[in-house]
Amino acid sequence: GAGVSQTPSNKVTEKGKYVELRCDPISGHTALYWYRQSLGQGPEFLIYFQGTGAADDSGLPNDRFFAVRPEGSVSTLKIQRTERGDSAVYLCASSPRRAQNTEAFFGQGTRLTVV
Amino acid sequence: GNSVTQMEGPVTLSEEAFLTINCTYTATGYPSLFWYVQYPGEGLQLLLKATKADDKGSNKGFEATYRKETTSFHLEKGSVQVSDSAVYFCALSTGTYKYIFGTGTRLKVLA
Repeated sequence: GAGVSQTPSNKVTEKGKYVELRCDPISGHTALYWYRQSLGQGPEFLIYFQGTGAADDSGLPNDRFFAVRPEGSVSTLKIQRTERGDSAVYLCASSPRRAQNTEAFFGQGTRLTVV
Repeated sequence: GNSVTQMEGPVTLSEEAFLTINCTYTATGYPSLFWYVQYPGEGLQLLLKATKADDKGSNKGFEATYRKETTSFHLEKGSVQVSDSAVYFCALSTGTYKYIFGTGTRLKVLA
């Protein structure tokens, strides 16, 4: 597809369960970002990949959160032992290169609800 | 640390009214500044950007000027339309390449 694709669009899980959120960036984009948007807030940075490696994971809230991008394209955000406070919209974005003023293209997000 | 503050919404205007959404920032160094828009049911889209002081970004009738002296990047449009109803986010990016977003301002334009 032409844009950033995120699946699933909605995910409801029980507290304590493990979830995986998938992001398919725009083809050829080397930079990939994950953000989290809580209700009524702006997106908050979680992690940034340049190629296959996590160049900056300073936004991950704790060690229950982990993300991979093994082949430098698709990325998966993994959350272990989910808590109700993890409920939010998880956004993925990609950009064609690592540069300060490069536009990031966002997917529509995965709405995660932990019950 | 770096931060973005934007006016709280919702902002409700009649069609053809003038729009201003205020945005101020705190940053070390020389950030790039952005306005992103989120239309109902859609993902965030870049509306406009400015990369250095006194630059003016513009798109779809919207404008914002990078004012270093007042650390501001206010969004303006001379005549809003119903189709402009959306949530608008001000954001900055520094050398770390990650965006810092404001909390968003919801705009509702009435016909």
